[in-house]
Amino acid sequence: DAKTTQPTSMDCAEGRAANLPCNHSTISGNEYVYWYRQIHSQGPQYIIHGLKNNETNEMASLIITEDRKSSTLILPHATLRDTAVYYCNPSSGSARQLTFGSGTQLTVLP
Amino acid sequence: NAGVTQTPKFRVLKTGQSMTLLCAQDMNHEYMYWYRQDPGMGLRLIHYSVGEGTTAKGEVPDGYNVSRLKKQNFLLGLESAAPSQTSVYFCASRDWVGTEAFFGQGTRLTVV
Repeated sequence: DAKTTQPTSMDCAEGRAANLPCNHSTISGNEYVYWYRQIHSQGPQYIIHGLKNNETNEMASLIITEDRKSSTLILPHATLRDTAVYYCNPSSGSARQLTFGSGTQLTVLP
Repeated sequence: NAGVTQTPKFRVLKTGQSMTLLCAQDMNHEYMYWYRQDPGMGLRLIHYSVGEGTTAKGEVPDGYNVSRLKKQNFLLGLESAAPSQTSVYFCASRDWVGTEAFFGQGTRLTVV
């Protein structure tokens, strides 16, 4: 799996968009970019994933650069409940292990 | 549809005692994983399985054993618990085609 670099922490004002970057410059052609989040003391939760194109679901949007070396997770209107650690996780179908980096601690401020 | 269920949710062990953590999934997933998470730290992969009857070592396997006798269950064993194994343990499963992983709610283990 590709190595990832994410900011250790970020703050965001409630109601504003939260933009969480991830660098995955060693990503291979068959690796999807997955995003998960872990709210304090809970099990991680899947958010969204994509391969090349930008993706959107009810939780978030995912923007992947054309060279696929980085991506940004966007929470359009952050709420206090979005305070969590966000993990960027490139992974392919053939990959057996599933490992995680340190993630970004997002704190949404009232 | 329960997803991934971990048993027990909390446990206190004395040093040297043994125990087994159970992870059960009802989604017919091939891949299952055990992680530990120490306070303020990320998830570290202990062992994983790519199908019934298979197991493999992850990043931090020492002191743990696993078994996958049934596809839906993945057991994590501590033969002789040590205080260094105090942690929160998470189980996860996913389909072999690399779809998203589903996690259990964790087991908080304290070894005294």
